[in-house]
Amino acid sequence: GIQVEQSPPDLILQEGANSTLRCNFSDSVNNLQWFHQNPWGQLINLFYIPSGTKQNGRLSATTVATERYSLLYISSSQTTDSGVYFCAVIYNTDKLIFGTGTRLQVFP
Amino acid sequence: ETGVTQSPTHLIKTRGQQVTLRCSSQSGHNTVSWYQQALGQGPQFIFQYYREEENGRGNFPPRFSGLQFPNYSSELNVNALELDDSALYLCASSLAKAHNEQFFGPGTRLTVL
Repeated sequence: GIQVEQSPPDLILQEGANSTLRCNFSDSVNNLQWFHQNPWGQLINLFYIPSGTKQNGRLSATTVATERYSLLYISSSQTTDSGVYFCAVIYNTDKLIFGTGTRLQVFP
Repeated sequence: ETGVTQSPTHLIKTRGQQVTLRCSSQSGHNTVSWYQQALGQGPQFIFQYYREEENGRGNFPPRFSGLQFPNYSSELNVNALELDDSALYLCASSLAKAHNEQFFGPGTRLTVL
């Protein structure tokens, strides 16, 4: 089956710093989503981005489907950005296959 | 537009018991998927329902079963609970089944003692 790997596994930042999270997948995909999981477990949709680039405030994402990776950029990080970031893909069924996650901690 | 809701938020059961978790889809969505998230891991797909029929199943035993109702709400039933069933259970709704964006509920945290 498809493999979805994220890097780095852990990231510690000071407030105001920028960061880039990466998601690599081993096969062509039909859908890619980025989520932020808050400390209470809620998965918050960040981007639905099977290809191309999107921006939403301080966050932006780029998926290069032909090279099988996606990047999530966080600029001017805030303490509320802390949590786990997941990418998830759909490649031949309608189930989301989640990556390994990146745990982000932002300190004041 | 109402989002995905789940009930209950927390649940404690003992080994061997049965549990039913509930999910209400986002308004207008006709597809619901269930995921299990063990501590420290990413969510794992359990199954999906589309128009009241199962539309795909992950690597979970038959004691995990589900239902989808005409109003697109859904239930996840787990029989003969085991300690390893302790996890966060998430449901997600989407429009149709063609790779559309999925939106998640807040989850039900199940503890099996």
